Amino acid sequence: KQEVTQIPAALSVPEGENLVLNCSFTDSAIYNLQWFRQDPGKGLTSLLLIQSSQREQTSGRLNASLDKSSGRSTLYIAASQPGDSATYLCAVSGTNFGNEKLTFGTGTRLTIIP
Amino acid sequence: DTGVSQDPRHKITKRGQNVTFRCDPISEHNRLYWYRQTLGQGPEFLTYFQNEAQLEKSRLLSDRFSAERPKGSFSTLEIQRTEQGDSAMYLCASSLAWSGTEAFFGQGTRLTVV
Repeated sequence: KQEVTQIPAALSVPEGENLVLNCSFTDSAIYNLQWFRQDPGKGLTSLLLIQSSQREQTSGRLNASLDKSSGRSTLYIAASQPGDSATYLCAVSGTNFGNEKLTFGTGTRLTIIP
Repeated sequence: DTGVSQDPRHKITKRGQNVTFRCDPISEHNRLYWYRQTLGQGPEFLTYFQNEAQLEKSRLLSDRFSAERPKGSFSTLEIQRTEQGDSAMYLCASSLAWSGTEAFFGQGTRLTVV
């Protein structure tokens, strides 16, 4: 059974700093890994999708990397802003055909201090 | 098309009542997923459809839960005889039906059972 772990559970950093969020998964047989952002009481916003054959994806100040063999991904946020404060979730999808449900970690709650 | 739409956004119900939630996916997406999220946890998979066919149901989905997707468009999730443990955020997501595609989530329906 796939298990996804995110460390740390919470993180506070001053505005302007670069930071890294970590995600690990137990079964390396994945199709893709997706990073999401969730604001309190809201749904999930997709940030980046990394296919299993890829090593990284970039969008603006965000960069996500994937090391499938070691079961790890990182989300790098450059020049953090107060608007980046949210919970960040990573999720992986399985490889069985038709079984592409996402398995989520419990998230990292990020607070950017102005 | 503005993304995945869920209705209602909030629902308060008395224990023992039935409730029904609706999800309208992105129009060209033929896969539709339901997830449940409790406070401080990541979303957990409940069920998914490809077009109108329900292809997988989680063991979390007790016999009080039923989901439909008539005509492969919108979907409904019904909970019968609600219990306090059903209180959660119910999230709907949609994607295209081939491996490794990005999932897009709605804003969720927050259910409170009193």
